Amino acid sequence: GAVVSQHPSRVICKSGTSVKIECRSLDFQATTMFWYRQFPKKSLMLMATSNEGSKATYEQGVEKDKFLINHASLTLSTLTVTSAHPEDSSFYICSAREKVEPGNTIYFGEGSWLTVV
Amino acid sequence: DAKTTQPTSMDCAEGRAANLPCNHSTISGNEYVYWYRQIHSQGPQYIIHGLKNNETNEMASLIITEDRKSSTLILPHATLRDTAVYYCIVRGISNEHGSSNTGKLIFGQGTTLQVKP
Repeated sequence: GAVVSQHPSRVICKSGTSVKIECRSLDFQATTMFWYRQFPKKSLMLMATSNEGSKATYEQGVEKDKFLINHASLTLSTLTVTSAHPEDSSFYICSAREKVEPGNTIYFGEGSWLTVV
Repeated sequence: DAKTTQPTSMDCAEGRAANLPCNHSTISGNEYVYWYRQIHSQGPQYIIHGLKNNETNEMASLIITEDRKSSTLILPHATLRDTAVYYCIVRGISNEHGSSNTGKLIFGQGTTLQVKP
């Protein structure tokens, strides 16, 4: 299957700082990427949908000014957690949708653990 | 997208077939059934998907009932490494030509499969 890579896999940052997580589709073009967060023993919660060349669409209840998403190319999307607080500590996962039909399967990255201290 | 119902947990003996059921009684004609699994602390892994015909790949088989209201994922010879949370998701396919439907994946709680020696 197609490969989606996230970086960093783990990051620790201080409260009040910003941290950026990258999501790359390594062997396919992704017109759409999705960002999720997951708390321990909980399911994945969709945060936003990122379309190449346009503004991201955020799910209800997700602060767009706090979670900045940029989809600069067909292979790269970034999530920046701004002014991070301890409650932002979570597992962040991206996924990317192949452009080719049919079925255009969505593939996931390995996830990024964010710890805010 | 249609909601799905899965059992919370299941056990399976190593080497036996694991049959994971999923109900999706409100599925519409253009919605696919997708299966993903998530092993602890990793991103979800794509397993298989189908529309109305049964599907098989190197990982699993997907059996969809004729009325499409339910499906079963079959892992033919479960191993300890198949222990994971399995998600059944119904997803419409995005329209490339400007539709607001991006075919996003909305995760439920899934089935925790425990493969035992």
